[in-house]
Amino acid sequence: AQSVTQLGSHVSVSEGALVLLRCNYSSSVPPYLFWYVQYPNQGLQLLLKYTSAATLVKGINGFEAEFKKSETSFHLTKPSAHMSDAAEYFCAVTPTGFQKLVFGTGTRLLVSP
Amino acid sequence: EAGVAQSPRYKIIEKRQSVAFWCNPISGHATLYWYQQILGQGPKLLIQFQNNGVVDDSQLPKDRFSAERLKGVDSTLKIQPAKLEDSAVYLCASSSERGGRTEAFFGQGTRLTVV
Repeated sequence: AQSVTQLGSHVSVSEGALVLLRCNYSSSVPPYLFWYVQYPNQGLQLLLKYTSAATLVKGINGFEAEFKKSETSFHLTKPSAHMSDAAEYFCAVTPTGFQKLVFGTGTRLLVSP
Repeated sequence: EAGVAQSPRYKIIEKRQSVAFWCNPISGHATLYWYQQILGQGPKLLIQFQNNGVVDDSQLPKDRFSAERLKGVDSTLKIQPAKLEDSAVYLCASSSERGGRTEAFFGQGTRLTVV
């Protein structure tokens, strides 16, 4: 079964520092991969998605992710963190041919002044 | 465009009571999902509808959970009787009928506390 693993339940950065959130996937076929963000007491909002068109995917709020098949990774990055980026981030995979999302356990991003 | 609407936002019940959650998806979205998000975990799919038919309910605890999507629009998720471990946020999402590339749009969720 396809799955994703998010390394690190919490990541702390200073404002202005690089953000790197790690996600590795398990799949025998090219998957569709997603990053979602969840602010406190809110639903999930799509940041970006990989659907095999381009390996470097740009999303909203300055985030981007690179699909690396050789490393089975889809890490999320942002060059400069803002205080407003503090939230929970989820990596998810859609098994090819289906529409349901299988989520990782999430990474909480903490941003300090 | 209106988003996915869910109600209520919060619910507190005693164990063994019943509870129901309501979801109104984005207009025209054929696919509707119910996810359960336990504190500290990622969302887990409970049930997926395509129009008013069930596509996947493999992780739905059918002895206590039920869901329906009448007329392929609104949906209701029910728990009867509730257990302490059902305390979670219940998220509804919808997507258009274009395969796995399609983004799922999420509602704000219903936070259930079972005491």
